[in-house]
Parts: sequence; structure tokens; C-alpha cells
Amino acid sequence: GAVVSQHPSRVICKSGTSVKIECRSLDFQATTMFWYRQFPKQSLMLMATSNEGSKATYEQGVEKDKFLINHASLTLSTLTVTSAHPEDSSFYICSARDLINKAGYTFGSGTRLTVV
Amino acid sequence: AQKITQTQPGMFVQEKEAVTLDCTYDTSDQSYGLFWYKQPSSGEMIFLIYQGSYDEQNATEGRYSLNFQKARKSANLVISASQLGDSAMYFCAMREGRNAGNMLTFGGGTRLMVKP
Repeated sequence: GAVVSQHPSRVICKSGTSVKIECRSLDFQATTMFWYRQFPKQSLMLMATSNEGSKATYEQGVEKDKFLINHASLTLSTLTVTSAHPEDSSFYICSARDLINKAGYTFGSGTRLTVV
Repeated sequence: AQKITQTQPGMFVQEKEAVTLDCTYDTSDQSYGLFWYKQPSSGEMIFLIYQGSYDEQNATEGRYSLNFQKARKSANLVISASQLGDSAMYFCAMREGRNAGNMLTFGGGTRLMVKP
């Protein structure tokens, strides 16, 4: 079945540094990728939608200059958290639109970001 | 208004018994899809079941069934014969419209705890 590989699974970074999270579709072409953020004990909140070869569409309240999304190929989308602060500590998870199976969406395994 | 509402933040169920997790939704679209995901403590999102708005039969996948009541806009998940491994967060989600790029909107989640 469709697989989305997300790396890293866990990262700790210092305040002010940038962190890049990768999501790679392994056996299908992901024309659309969704990026979610999940704070502890809360639900998944959509941050942005990225389409291959075009600029990402950000949800209201999400700073596009802080959360840089690149979807340069049909198999790779990246989220870069720039100048990270402790309040950016969260669980980030990507999801690719997958038209092959009933699930319709394939999720990465998530990245737990801790900013110290 | 919330698009997806899960009114049970936490639920207990005895092992081997059935449990129903509630989900109501709000949309003006005629075509939409409803999903249930399980999220264990590892964070991965595990697809459980899907119901299309035009599907006349309630969806079933093994021990999972979806009680779809369109007029009431509810899509409750029924888990039969609960197992200890069913303890996790459960999220109801909706995709609106026919556009393949449409994102999933998630409810607040229900934490299910299965008692031995």
C-alpha cells in the first residue's frame, strides 16, 4: 500500500535555529500534501496545503514566513520551521492525498519537535 | 461553527464489550466523506473506516462499523469486542466536496480506554 516516510521522527533544537521536516511518498506520486500540527491532548490542525510545483496555501493564523513549505517534486514535500521558539514545540504530521486506496489519505509517522 | 464534533473526551469500556464513539458533522455539501482514525501514543494515524455521503450501506471493516445517520449528520464509530490494544485516541474527520485536493478536518478526538 501507499507509504509516506516522514523524517526525523523526533528532533530537539535550540531556540532561534531552523528545523527541516521531510515527507516522502515512497510508491506513489503525491500531488497534494497536507501539513498538520498537533499540540498535546489536542486534535490535528491543518497548517497548510502544498501542491507540487506551486506555492503552499496556508491556513489563517499560520505564518508562512515561519513555516516554509516546499513541494518541489511529486514525491517530496518539506516543512522548515525557521527561527524556532519553545512555543513551536509540537507534533507535526504530513498527509498525502492518495487516490489508490479507500483510505484516500496516507499519513507520515509524525515528527515530535522540542525547542529548548 | 465546528465542522466535526466529538462530544466524548474520554470513554472507558470493558474488554470484549462493544463501544460507540460519537461524531456529528456540519456541512452544506452534498458530496462528502467521513473517516475515522486511531492514534496510539506513538502518534501515527491509523485509518479505520470510511463512509461516503452517497453510500447507502453503513461501512464495516472487521470489528469497526460506522453508524451513518445522514439526516442527523452523525457518523458514530462502533467497535465490537473491544481489545486492550484498542486503547488510543480516536478521531473523526471529514472531507468536503469532490475535489481530490480537499483536506481533512478533524474533530477534537475521544480517548478510549479499555479495561481488562
